[in-house]
Amino acid sequence: GENVEQHPSTLSVQEGDSAVIKCTYSDSASNYFPWYKQELGKRPQLIIDIRSNVGEKKDQRIAVTLNKTAKHFSLHITETQPEDSAVYFCAASTSGTYKYIFGTGTRLKVLA
Amino acid sequence: GAVVSQHPSWVICKSGTSVKIECRSLDFQATTMFWYRQFPKQSLMLMATSNEGSKATYEQGVEKDKFLINHASLTLSTLTVTSAHPEDSSFYICSAASGREETQYFGPGTRLLVL
Repeated sequence: GENVEQHPSTLSVQEGDSAVIKCTYSDSASNYFPWYKQELGKRPQLIIDIRSNVGEKKDQRIAVTLNKTAKHFSLHITETQPEDSAVYFCAASTSGTYKYIFGTGTRLKVLA
Repeated sequence: GAVVSQHPSWVICKSGTSVKIECRSLDFQATTMFWYRQFPKQSLMLMATSNEGSKATYEQGVEKDKFLINHASLTLSTLTVTSAHPEDSSFYICSAASGREETQYFGPGTRLLVL
C-alpha cells in the first residue's frame, strides 16, 4: 500500500523567511496531494492541493510543487508570519478512493 | 460551504462503557466518510472508511467489533467505541468527501478520555 514520508519533523524559521516541507510517496497510482494545517487541538484545514497533471500550484504565499517521476512533492511558504506556526501534514490519495495516507507531520515554528 | 460537525467535542467515561461519536456534513451530501485517530504529537491514522448504506472498510489492525461505524444517511456517520479502555483515549476526527472532488473536509474532532 501507499507510504508517505515527510521531512523535517520540526522546523524553526525567522519571521519573513521561507519554509519548505518535503514529502515522498511510494504508490505511483497516487494522483492527488493535499496539504493540511493543524493548529493545536483543532481540525486539519486544507491549505493547498495539487493533482498529478500539474507540476506546480501557487496561492499567495503558499506553493506546492510535484515531481511525479521522483514521487515527491513539497510545500513552500514564503514571507512566513507567526500565525503560520502549526503542524503541517501532507497526504497522498488515489482518484476514486478518496482515501488519504498522511505524512508524519511537520511542526513549524515561526519566530518573531 | 463544506462544513463538517462532530459531537460531542469531548467526553470522559469510565472504563468498560461505550461512547458514540457523531459526524455530520452540514451543507453537502457525503458519499464517503472517514474516521481517524490522532495521538498527541502524532499524525492522523485512518481507522475506517464508510460509505452510505454499506459496511465500513476497516484498516489493518483496527478491530471492527470494538469500533462500530454506521453511515445511515448521506449526512451522518457514527463511531461507537465499545467497552472503552484507557488505551482508547485519543483524539478522534471524522472527515467527509462529497464524491464530486477528492478533498476531505474534517470535523473539529472529539477528545475521548477513558478513566
